[in-house]
Amino acid sequence: DGGITQSPKYLFRKEGQNVTLSCEQNLNHDAMYWYRQDPGQGLRLIYYSQIVNDFQKGDIAEGYSVSREKKESFPLTVTSAQKNPTAFYLCASSIALLAGPPRGTQYFGPGTRLLVL
Amino acid sequence: QKEVEQNSGPLSVPEGAIASLNCTYSDRGSQSFFWYRQYSGKSPELIMSIYSNGDKEDGRFTAQLNKASQYVSLLIRDSQPSDSATYLCAVANSGYALNFGKGTSLLVTP
Repeated sequence: DGGITQSPKYLFRKEGQNVTLSCEQNLNHDAMYWYRQDPGQGLRLIYYSQIVNDFQKGDIAEGYSVSREKKESFPLTVTSAQKNPTAFYLCASSIALLAGPPRGTQYFGPGTRLLVL
Repeated sequence: QKEVEQNSGPLSVPEGAIASLNCTYSDRGSQSFFWYRQYSGKSPELIMSIYSNGDKEDGRFTAQLNKASQYVSLLIRDSQPSDSATYLCAVANSGYALNFGKGTSLLVTP
């Protein structure tokens, strides 16, 4: 079964702690993305990556970091510098980093809900 | 700021009726448009994409695009209670990024 997996489903962060959210895809997609969704809000782009070892900041990158060491994996670290991390985090991928369908169509993983203790 | 606007709803329609969801966008350079459905607590799933003016049909769903008026809509025919969800409009401009609206909540009542 091809798809995008995210883990864990729920994550609890203590004050001053860094936490890492996992995102893996077996769709052979080149482009991967991280979004944040707050209640009643649209999705906001945190980081995106077109190829291995290359990634770019999105609209709200402050307090987050990513890596892309493998094509299949794009983990997101929420650092202690992110003062309001409670949100639903969504990973997405597309065949290529393009604006339009079909190669630019983005598909989402199931998400990770991050809560602050 | 490139805006994507949707009525937050809730939009309530009876079972079997046509649900009409609307989205307007501010960037005239926008090229592609997507509708995602998001059930409560779940991630968005793609319903349809459209990039040419006019209508595009897929089963009970029809996407309509009018670039001159800068709006895109989604019609759901024969609405079912299982269609109750939040519908997100996403707009792609000349770059890579999708700009999302805040979504319209749809409630289909039996």
